[in-house]
Amino acid sequence: AQTVTQSQPEMSVQEAETVTLSCTYDTSESDYYLFWYKQPPSRQMILVIRQEAYKQQNATENRFSVNFQKAAKSFSLKISDSQLGDAAMYFCACSIQGAQKLVFGQGTRLTINP
Amino acid sequence: DAGVIQSPRHEVTEMGQEVTLRCKPISGHNSLFWYRQTMMRGLELLIYFNNNVPIDDSGMPEDRFSAKMPNASFSTLKIQPSEPRDSAVYFCASSFGINLQETQYFGPGTRLLVL
Repeated sequence: AQTVTQSQPEMSVQEAETVTLSCTYDTSESDYYLFWYKQPPSRQMILVIRQEAYKQQNATENRFSVNFQKAAKSFSLKISDSQLGDAAMYFCACSIQGAQKLVFGQGTRLTINP
Repeated sequence: DAGVIQSPRHEVTEMGQEVTLRCKPISGHNSLFWYRQTMMRGLELLIYFNNNVPIDDSGMPEDRFSAKMPNASFSTLKIQPSEPRDSAVYFCASSFGINLQETQYFGPGTRLLVL
């Protein structure tokens, strides 16, 4: 079975600083996609960024970027210039060929300190 | 464009009662997913549909749970009879297609409390 692991239940960062959230996954497949979702207190799940496994270049969306290490099966999220609105639960997820569904990690709660 | 719409947003019911959760996917999306989120188990996929047809219901916990998608713009998740352990946030998500690269867009969720 495929698994996604987020080893940091909680993280905190000072406003305007940079923070990195970790995620590892386990799959024997070669074709898959990786996602980071944000869940603010409203509980809405919001897509932050996605990465195709076949692409070597790391995805970037404004202040959000990933460090995708395929051999290590690692997919970390870097948030630059942290803002108060970034405070939320962050979920890493993997979509795996054959399963055709998302497998989520346990989440990391990110706190932004003003 | 409206996102995924779920109703009700909150539901409180008593054990043994029937609960029906509703979802309207994004127009044009042909895949729909039902998830459950709890503190203990995190986010779990319960069932998903493609073109109104259930594709994988292996995540449905037991026979008390059922889901339908009578048309492309509406789906229900029913729990009958409900139990306190069903208390959770239930999310509906939709995507354009079922392929890996299609992003799933989530609704706001229904917070269910079974007393």
